[in-house]
Amino acid sequence: EAQVTQNPRYLITVTGKKLTVTCSQNMNHEYMSWYRQDPGLGLRQIYYSMNVEVTDKGDVPEGYKVSRKEKRNFPLILESPSPNQTSLYFCASSLDSFSYNEQFFGPGTRLTVL
Amino acid sequence: GQQVMQIPQYQHVQEGEDFTTYCNSSTTLSNIQWYKQRPGGHPVFLIQLVKSGEVKKQKRLTFQFGEAKKNSSLHITATQTTDVGTYFCAGRAYNTDKLIFGTGTRLQVFP
Repeated sequence: EAQVTQNPRYLITVTGKKLTVTCSQNMNHEYMSWYRQDPGLGLRQIYYSMNVEVTDKGDVPEGYKVSRKEKRNFPLILESPSPNQTSLYFCASSLDSFSYNEQFFGPGTRLTVL
Repeated sequence: GQQVMQIPQYQHVQEGEDFTTYCNSSTTLSNIQWYKQRPGGHPVFLIQLVKSGEVKKQKRLTFQFGEAKKNSSLHITATQTTDVGTYFCAGRAYNTDKLIFGTGTRLQVFP
């Protein structure tokens, strides 16, 4: 089944404790992206990747890192999480970065930073 | 930078009533996509509009792209409880890799 998977689905952590949220897609998509969703703010892009070893900042990249060493995986790293990073995170992928491709979203990771 | 606003933020309707959400971009868009997110779920792609003035229908849903390609709307006729969720538009400006999502409209349908 074609899908985007994220782990963990739920995470409660404390300020400053490094964490990684994994994202994997099995559709051989070139383009992958991370979003955070906060009430009233919609979906805001954190980072995106157009292909292996090609990443770029989205609209809210501060406090986050990403890597794209393999086509299927695009982990999101929070080196020193803070409470303002408490949010619902979605990974998404699409065939490529051209305009006419829909994005497939993962199930989401709900992160709470205490 | 590019901004995409959606109104209203919330809408409560009685089952059978119509519903419309509007999406406005600060810049001209090459295309616009619409997504639906059920409560507790993830966004799911509904449709894409590319041409100026384009209108597309999916059963009770009608999508429009403005003539100037800076605004779009989603209209649902005779809402059903299955329509509950948050509807997002997402626009891509010319010469950019970024898809900017609107703030979303949360629809609640009362039986």
